[in-house]
This record gives sequence, structure tokens and C-alpha cells, in this order.
Amino acid sequence: NAGVMQNPRHLVRRRGQEARLRCSPMKGHSHVYWYRQLPEEGLKFMVYLQKENIIDESGMPKERFSAEFPKEGPSILRIQQVVRGDSAAYFCASSGGQSQETQYFGPGTRLLVL
Amino acid sequence: SQQGEEDPQALSIQEGENATMNCSYKTSINNLQWYRQNSGRGLVHLILIRSNEREKHSGRLRVTLDTSKKSSSLLITASRAADTASYFCATALSNTGGFKTIFGAGTRLFVKA
Repeated sequence: NAGVMQNPRHLVRRRGQEARLRCSPMKGHSHVYWYRQLPEEGLKFMVYLQKENIIDESGMPKERFSAEFPKEGPSILRIQQVVRGDSAAYFCASSGGQSQETQYFGPGTRLLVL
Repeated sequence: SQQGEEDPQALSIQEGENATMNCSYKTSINNLQWYRQNSGRGLVHLILIRSNEREKHSGRLRVTLDTSKKSSSLLITASRAADTASYFCATALSNTGGFKTIFGAGTRLFVKA
């Protein structure tokens, strides 16, 4: 049973470009969470999605950031017109199956904005 | 401030010693979880303790939960160099069919061989 997959693992963008981060949850999981982590800090909750629905986006910046989890395919975190302050590690987690409480994390995508 | 806050922020011990990390939180919770993160990697789930539980063990890990003080502790016994990592507590709030999880800033543990 493959774990949570994220790609790309590293992403470099210039200011003003778009960044697309992908997350494939564990098999059988229908809940996806996105977090952002700055160096030497903890994870900050961004958004919680179930298939085709955004359940809680209270941690998402109001502008430039969006997330989706379509019926087919991975969850996508999209950052438009990136700025240097967007540089961080973005982690995806999934839950579901027998224990919806435990979240299983992917390896993260490290975004660097030049 | 953040729902879960760990202390100490950093801890350095010798191999074989025990390591204790504490976590405090502010609101009522459904459960509290501890995660570990090696440098540059994703988080690994260690242990979950529910709000009606007081203590839980898993191998060399022992977690306690005091809901009256809104605090938890993680004890790693007989530490090894491989335990060097950051440890985060996360509190879960029931939220519309799932759980919103709030992470603390973490305790950075360094175990010297």
C-alpha cells in the first residue's frame, strides 16, 4: 500500500509565476489536508478537502492560493503569482479508512521562489 | 497563539538517557497526537491519545494526557542517536466529518552518541 505521494519534491519558480503542487492520498483515503512549514517552525494548517469538496479553508491566504481535490486524480494546491514569502515546504496528509483521526504525511514539496 | 505549544524548544541529551517533551494546548480536544520529523522529511505519526485516556505506551514511547491542565508529555526512554529529530504535538478538533489538526512549533531533540 503506497503512502502519500507528493510531486514535485522540489520546485523552483520566479516571482510572478504559478506553482502547482500535487498530492495523491493513500489508497482508500478520502480526506486530504495541506500544511505549510517555514524553516525551524511547525506546520500551519492551510486547507482540508474531501473528494470534490473544500471542508475547511480557514488557513488559506485569501488571494493567490487555491486547492482542489477532484473526483479523479490528485489533490492540487495552486499558488498564483508567487512571491518570495511563499518559499516553504508544503506537506500534504491524508486520512480515512479505519482511522480517520490519524493523518499520514507525504514527503513534502519544497518551493523556492527566486 | 498556536493551539499546541511544545517545550522545551530544543533538547540535547546523551544516548541512553530519557527525553521528556511537553505540550500545552488551549481548547477542548478530541485527541492529541505526537509526530516526529527528521530533517527535511515528512512527518511520521508516533502515537495518538484520546481525550478520555490518561496514559499510553508504544515501545520506548510513553505519552500522558492531563485534560484538566490541557497538557501532554512525550517520554522517550533509553534514547538512541537515531531518535534525533523534531517532535510535534498536534491537537485534533472535530470538524465536519473530519479532524482539523493544529500543530505546535516542535521540540528539536538531539541525541549524542
